[in-house]
Amino acid sequence: AQTVTQSQPEMSVQEAETVTLSCTYDTSESDYYLFWYKQPPSRQMILVIRQEAYKQQNATENRFSVNFQKAAKSFSLKISDSQLGDAAMYFCAYRSAWGDSGSRLTFGEGTQLTVNP
Amino acid sequence: DTEVTQTPKHLVMGMTNKKSLKCEQHMGHRAMYWYKQKAKKPPELMFVYSYEKLSINESVPSRFSPECPNSSLLNLHLHALQPEDSALYLCASSLDIFSYNEQFFGPGTRLTVL
Repeated sequence: AQTVTQSQPEMSVQEAETVTLSCTYDTSESDYYLFWYKQPPSRQMILVIRQEAYKQQNATENRFSVNFQKAAKSFSLKISDSQLGDAAMYFCAYRSAWGDSGSRLTFGEGTQLTVNP
Repeated sequence: DTEVTQTPKHLVMGMTNKKSLKCEQHMGHRAMYWYKQKAKKPPELMFVYSYEKLSINESVPSRFSPECPNSSLLNLHLHALQPEDSALYLCASSLDIFSYNEQFFGPGTRLTVL
């Protein structure tokens, strides 16, 4: 079974600064997808960014980018120019590319990000 | 329309009550999901429906009964719940289950069992 580990329960960053959230995972599969989800205090979970394991190029979405290290099974999220609206719980998630397992998102425990003005 | 809606937003029920949670999407998605989320914890998958058929049941107690009457609607029927069932119940949908496509989450129903 796959596991996802987020070793930082809480992080804080000053507005306009850069912060990196860590995520490691364990899998024996070669093909899979990785995601970062954000859950603000309003509760609705939204997708921040996703990465296909077969792509070497790191995904970027505006101020959000990832550092995907497949051999090290590491998938960190970098938030540049942090904004107050970035404050939320961030979950790293894994999804297999195959079979029924592909319908399951395996989440890490989450990192609570605080943005200080 | 890229929205998953859930009703009610909040629900308080006694252990002998029967209630239902409702989830709706009009994005043409054929996979729908129920998750349970405790405070400061990640969501835990409960059920997956694919093309209106139950695809995955993560060994959820029978006091939770899912139903998918059509491709846009997903219900979760609750009966004889326990206080430890109090949680945020999230619904999600995606294009299908065998894809890279994003799961869209609803805002959740906050359930309190007295």
